[in-house]
Amino acid sequence: DIVVTQSPDSLSVSLGERATIYCKSSQSVFRSSNNNNYIAWYQQKPGQPPKLLLYWASTRESGVPDRFSGSGSGTDFSLTISSLQAEDVAVYYCQQYSTTPGWTFGQGTKVEIK
Amino acid sequence: QVQLVESGGGVVQPGRSLRLSCGASGFTFTSHTIHWVRQAPGRGLEWVAVISWNGGDKYYGDSVKGRFTISRDNSKNTVYLQMNSLRRDDTGVYYCARQGNGAAFDFWGRGTMVIVSS
Repeated sequence: DIVVTQSPDSLSVSLGERATIYCKSSQSVFRSSNNNNYIAWYQQKPGQPPKLLLYWASTRESGVPDRFSGSGSGTDFSLTISSLQAEDVAVYYCQQYSTTPGWTFGQGTKVEIK
Repeated sequence: QVQLVESGGGVVQPGRSLRLSCGASGFTFTSHTIHWVRQAPGRGLEWVAVISWNGGDKYYGDSVKGRFTISRDNSKNTVYLQMNSLRRDDTGVYYCARQGNGAAFDFWGRGTMVIVSS
């Protein structure tokens, strides 16, 4: 299985500041058949199920604020919150879905307010 | 609106069985692959199993292979997870999720708690 590793494990950022989370996969998740990177990002708040934020590494899910953005290709990816809001406090997970079967998640990154 | 509702969780002794259900509404059920994902207390997400729209393709995570069985009844808009030979490390919240946009998991249920304990 492809191993997905996030960094850092936790992040403390002031309100209005930028937060960036990194995700590295053990092998490329890029498919030349459709020119897409099979990485998704999820947000999970306490007591709630995960919520899809981005897919294809950088495509925002409907309704997700544009302060959330994703980038990267191949094995290295990032999720950026451009201006952290109080409601963004959560654990964020990246997921690779390049291989079938074998969907794998990163270990999660906890984002808090400084 | 899209809804996924899990049920069937509870407390069960090691070695026993449990069957979870995932009821779907608000979308064309037969157009979607459905996954089960679990989360141990205080831990991250672990993919468990997947079933294709017609039940023809099923896959399992290594930790549950041979013990868990996924199935679906499209006439009832429901996916099941039969869990046998349960172990303490199967404890956690079990979510069902719809595979949707970009093949990511675009809708999740609220989960059902499974506790394996003597």
